[in-house]
Formats: sequence, C-alpha cells, structure tokens
Amino acid sequence: DTEVTQTPKHLVMGMTNKKSLKCEQHMGHRAMYWYKQKAKKPPELMFVYSYEKLSINESVPSRFSPECPNSSLLNLHLHALQPEDSALYLCASSQEGQSSYNSPLHFGNGTRLTVT
Amino acid sequence: LAKTTQPISMDSYEGQEVNITCSHNNIATNDYITWYQQFPSQGPRFIIQGYKTKVTNEVASLFIPADRKSSTLSLPRVSLSDTAVYYCLVGDVDTGGFKTIFGAGTRLFVKA
Repeated sequence: DTEVTQTPKHLVMGMTNKKSLKCEQHMGHRAMYWYKQKAKKPPELMFVYSYEKLSINESVPSRFSPECPNSSLLNLHLHALQPEDSALYLCASSQEGQSSYNSPLHFGNGTRLTVT
Repeated sequence: LAKTTQPISMDSYEGQEVNITCSHNNIATNDYITWYQQFPSQGPRFIIQGYKTKVTNEVASLFIPADRKSSTLSLPRVSLSDTAVYYCLVGDVDTGGFKTIFGAGTRLFVKA
C-alpha cells in the first residue's frame, strides 16, 4: 500500500468520452505531480502543482486538464484522447520541490488507462 | 536541467552486492541526488537520497564523490525481489526542485 491513493486502478475509455483520474494524499504535502509512463519507459512529467497552483505544465496537450481542488486532492480530466495516450498515469506528492529541498516524491500505483 | 546517465541494464546473482553508478556532470550546487526503485505496474518508490559523501539506510548505501558529478547506489546482498528498474534523479534548482525528470533508469535482473 502507498500513502498516495489513485482511482480508478484501471480505465478503458473511447476517444469521445470524458473521464477523470483522481489522486489523494494525507501527508500534508504541498506539491503534487502528474506523470505519464509508457511501457518500458521512464515516467514523464506532465504537471506540477505547488500550494494548489499550477507551477509547471510540460507542454501537455489540452485534452489533459489538471485540477487541484485542495491541498490533498489532484484530478486529471481527460477528453477526446487518442489511442497513443494509453499509458500508466502516476500521481506523486512531495513536501516541497523534490530534489533541492530534500523532499522525495511519494508515488501512487497509478491508473492504467486504455483508449480505444 | 541536470541530465543523468546510467547503464541500461545489469545482471546479478542472489547474495551479491550490486553497485549502480549514475553520471550527472552538470549537477547544480543545491541539488540533492535521489534514487528510486520501480516494480512493474507500480509507482516508483524512494530508496535513498544524499548530497555528498556517503549515506546509508536499511536498504541501500549511496556514495557521492567530492565533485558530485556521479553517484553510486549500492545494494548489499540482493535477492530475487530486488529485480526492478532503478532511477537516479537530480533536481532543477531553477524551478525550486519541482521539475523532477527521470532518466532512462537501470534494469536490474537478479538471478537465483
């Protein structure tokens, strides 16, 4: 079990669907992250929220829309995805910025997304 | 942004010590070096973090030379369950360390 909870664990959606991925942490961390991971590749950073404000967007297509309703929750809204968006989507949190402040990332186990 | 370079894969046998070296030539003064372990279909898990010299915890040791341009993760007496991908990361001080970029990682295979 991890301290970062992601739901659902698996999701299958069509290209015209709208769905959301959810992430929750109760460690009091103020930074939250979305990563995308394809098979046999490293996680790729998508978004970073710091104190509930979007601080980094790694040029992610607008069909992915992040939301941070409060310091414990992070959502990723999905709309009009493509089959190549199928991947493992990982959420993480940290106390502050990861490496500069001795604050490692805590990851959830991800949502396995399949776009048909 | 500091880039890391690691061996793509390594093989070992149970009971051996495994050392994985990571190169990070342009590490910034404020950057910490962090290692993660990832099993299939799970999120990466923090192993160890250090700034300089040597750090040891219950699962691993991290050796960092004085110039900090490389680091070595040491796993003592590995078992089959240590088969995983190991990632070395350094932060981006310009973004306060938030822009955490994973390198390609090292796939460790532990054999019986």
